[in-house]
Amino acid sequence: AQSVTQPDIHITVSEGASLELRCNYSYGATPYLFWYVQSPGQGLQLLLKYFSGDTLVQGIKGFEAEFKRSQSSFNLRKPSVHWSDAAEYFCAVGAGNAGNMLTFGGGTRLMVKP
Amino acid sequence: DGGITQSPKYLFRKEGQNVTLSCEQNLNHDAMYWYRQDPGQGLRLIYYSQIVNDFQKGDIAEGYSVSREKKESFPLTVTSAQKNPTAFYLCASSRRDEQYFGPGTRLTVT
Repeated sequence: AQSVTQPDIHITVSEGASLELRCNYSYGATPYLFWYVQSPGQGLQLLLKYFSGDTLVQGIKGFEAEFKRSQSSFNLRKPSVHWSDAAEYFCAVGAGNAGNMLTFGGGTRLMVKP
Repeated sequence: DGGITQSPKYLFRKEGQNVTLSCEQNLNHDAMYWYRQDPGQGLRLIYYSQIVNDFQKGDIAEGYSVSREKKESFPLTVTSAQKNPTAFYLCASSRRDEQYFGPGTRLTVT
């Protein structure tokens, strides 16, 4: 069975500092990987996704993520965090087939200090 | 604009009552999903439907029921059999690879 682990429940960074959110997955085949962001009381918005090809993927809002098969990781990064980035971030893994069942990690709550 | 709507945003019910949460999409997606979100637990799949008139149980289906009579609609009923119904409920849809989420309904049962 597939699983996703986000080791950090909470992370606090200063505005302007760099950010890396960790995601480790367990999946038997080549995974389809996603990062979503959720503002309080809202739905989830897709930041970026990896299906194949270049292992460094660019997303919206200045985020990027790198797929590392050897480490079973798909960490999310941003070079300079803005106060508006404060939210909860979810990593997810799926099979990529029609109907696309996703398994989500527990989430990482990001707080940004002024 | 295409998207997913969930109504209402906040819902309050007394214990022992069934309640139905609405989910509508105009994205022409075949697949739809219901998730439950509790603080610190991420998203857990309740039910999903890959096509009209067909649906399958997810990881935590007990105490819930769904129907899929139209492609656009996938209502979720929280029954009195659900032991801890208070939660944030998210609906999603997908055509192939990526899931799109609605804004969610926060259900409080007292």
